[in-house]
Amino acid sequence: DIVMTQTPLSSPVTLGQPASISCRSSQSLVHGDGSTYLNWLQQRPGQPPRLLIYKISNRFSGVPDRFSGSGAGTDFTLKISRVEAEDVGVYYCMQATQYPHTFGQGTKLEIK
Amino acid sequence: QVQLVESGGGVVQPGRSLRLSCVASGFTFSNYGLHWVRQAPGKGLEWVAVISYDGNHKYYTDSVKGRFTISRDNSKNTLYLQMNTLRSEDTAVYYCAKDGNRVFDYWGQGTLVTVSS
Repeated sequence: DIVMTQTPLSSPVTLGQPASISCRSSQSLVHGDGSTYLNWLQQRPGQPPRLLIYKISNRFSGVPDRFSGSGAGTDFTLKISRVEAEDVGVYYCMQATQYPHTFGQGTKLEIK
Repeated sequence: QVQLVESGGGVVQPGRSLRLSCVASGFTFSNYGLHWVRQAPGKGLEWVAVISYDGNHKYYTDSVKGRFTISRDNSKNTLYLQMNTLRSEDTAVYYCAKDGNRVFDYWGQGTLVTVSS
């Protein structure tokens, strides 16, 4: 199974400041079709997960442009350019390249 | 708009069975694969199973193989998860999620399954 490792596991951030979360996979996430199925999800307190970014860097419908994704192969990053109060929650990277699909442990974003 | 509504959760004794349902609307159900993902209390997300758009292909995480069965009824826009021989470690909120080509683009609100004597 592909292991997804996120750092940090907790990220206290000041409102208006940037935040960054790293995700590393135990093997390449490049699929045989050439795509890299690395997605980022947000889970606000008491809510189901919500898709933010798909295939490394594509923002999903309705996701603010302060969220961006980057990376390749086994190393990926989610960045929030200016954190807002509504961004509080847990962020997960997940790979859908190979079965079983696997998630990172989650990074808790909180406001200082 | 896309909606996924899970039901069927509850409290069940170890070794017993439960069937979860997920009713979908807002998209052409028979065109998309669907997943079950679970989240134990206070823990992270764990992928459970997937079924292809036509029901012909299914994959499971190892811990549920032989105990859980994913299925779908395209005439009823409904996804199912039959869970047998339940264990305490199956206690979790179970989410269904739509597969937009290996992208979990829409999620339901979840249904809580508690396995306890």
